[in-house]
Amino acid sequence: QKEVEQDPGPLSVPEGAIVSLNCTYSNSAFQYFMWYRQYSRKGPELLMYTYSSGNKEDGRFTAQVDKSSKYISLFIRDSQPSDSATYLCAMSAISSGSARQLTFGSGTQLTVLP
Amino acid sequence: DTEVTQTPKHLVMGMTNKKSLKCEQHMGHRAMYWYKQKAKKPPELMFVYSYEKLSINESVPSRFSPECPNSSLLNLHLHALQPEDSALYLCASSRGLDTGELFFGEGSRLTVL
Repeated sequence: QKEVEQDPGPLSVPEGAIVSLNCTYSNSAFQYFMWYRQYSRKGPELLMYTYSSGNKEDGRFTAQVDKSSKYISLFIRDSQPSDSATYLCAMSAISSGSARQLTFGSGTQLTVLP
Repeated sequence: DTEVTQTPKHLVMGMTNKKSLKCEQHMGHRAMYWYKQKAKKPPELMFVYSYEKLSINESVPSRFSPECPNSSLLNLHLHALQPEDSALYLCASSRGLDTGELFFGEGSRLTVL
């Protein structure tokens, strides 16, 4: 079983739809949770960073973490064609001084149709 | 300035060539990373430098040789690569050791013939 499982997609939605992207994890040591957006042939861009259960909102994006269920989500409201990209969840554990390593999900490819 | 700059953007090399990938950040970050990403796969960690010292080497073959000349620069020296090493090579940096907020460059797309 992989440490991080991400809904594989691909996902295709009409413009203006609400998008839900999801990851589950098995490692209870994960305490930090991130969502990255990666456009084709570009590097990943950090979208959201959270370390506690609950919701964190930034514009049209909301990151949700449920540590008891080991489940994280990213919601995109009023989706736009420019949101079309691959979305990667990533998580890391608390480390005792060494550089923190990220464990990535496999990515969900999203297409928002105009 | 929140950029991680990578050069070159594209590189084609033969199996006997020696080349280098370069990465630069001016955010004052103290940890820098090399990742390898194959098509439709997530990034895979190769190396981590913390305070200019190599702290993690994820069992990467010796044909990849990292170097951190100073806190702003990170190089990846390539020698005797194989066609299966063709991939997008991503550099990233983070503020320190206690955060997972990595900032990635746009990558160097490497093709080994």
